[in-house]
Amino acid sequence: EAGVTQSPTHLIKTRGQQATLRCSPISGHTSVYWYQQALGLGLQFLLWYDEGEERNRGNFPPRFSGRQFPNYSSELNVNALELEDSALYLCASSDSSSSNQPQHFGDGTRLSIL
Amino acid sequence: GQNIDQPTEMTATEGAIVQINCTYQTSGFNGLFWYQQHAGEAPTFLSYNVLDGLEEKGRFSSFLSRSKGYSYLLLKELQMKDSASYLCAVSNYGQNFVFGPGTRLSVLP
Repeated sequence: EAGVTQSPTHLIKTRGQQATLRCSPISGHTSVYWYQQALGLGLQFLLWYDEGEERNRGNFPPRFSGRQFPNYSSELNVNALELEDSALYLCASSDSSSSNQPQHFGDGTRLSIL
Repeated sequence: GQNIDQPTEMTATEGAIVQINCTYQTSGFNGLFWYQQHAGEAPTFLSYNVLDGLEEKGRFSSFLSRSKGYSYLLLKELQMKDSASYLCAVSNYGQNFVFGPGTRLSVLP
């Protein structure tokens, strides 16, 4: 069974640009989560999508947005990039058909802002 | 509010036993999860507790006390490869997870 896949692996942008990160969940998982992990820090929750709808949003500005497609894959968009957006962005998926299912993570996209 | 606390760093010796504690205060509780994260890699799922008590999984065990808002992860027969960060996460409603800051464990020879 294929795990959660994220692309690209690395992304280099400059301040003010826009970045798009992509995630494909484990087959059969309908929930997708996005997290930001700055160097040496913990996971900060960004967004949760389930069945194409945004279910919850973390404490991030509106320039962080995303969507979930009918095949349950997801995109995270970050507009007007700032230096402090440099971080590892992790996507996770879970089976929301039953409770207490663990989230399974992809290998992440490392976003560097120059 | 949501608050999860873990020690920042711990050090232990190869072959020893180490206990990593986690305390939480969340607006709801559906279960508590432990993840392992090696530097530069994605977190991997280790265990979860939904009821009070001890769950054992090989060298790893996890304990939960819901009345105390407390959990621990017990690692036995430590190996060098166990050097990693260990993340405690609470599922507080539906599938919404709140992650703790993580405990960085260093295993010394």
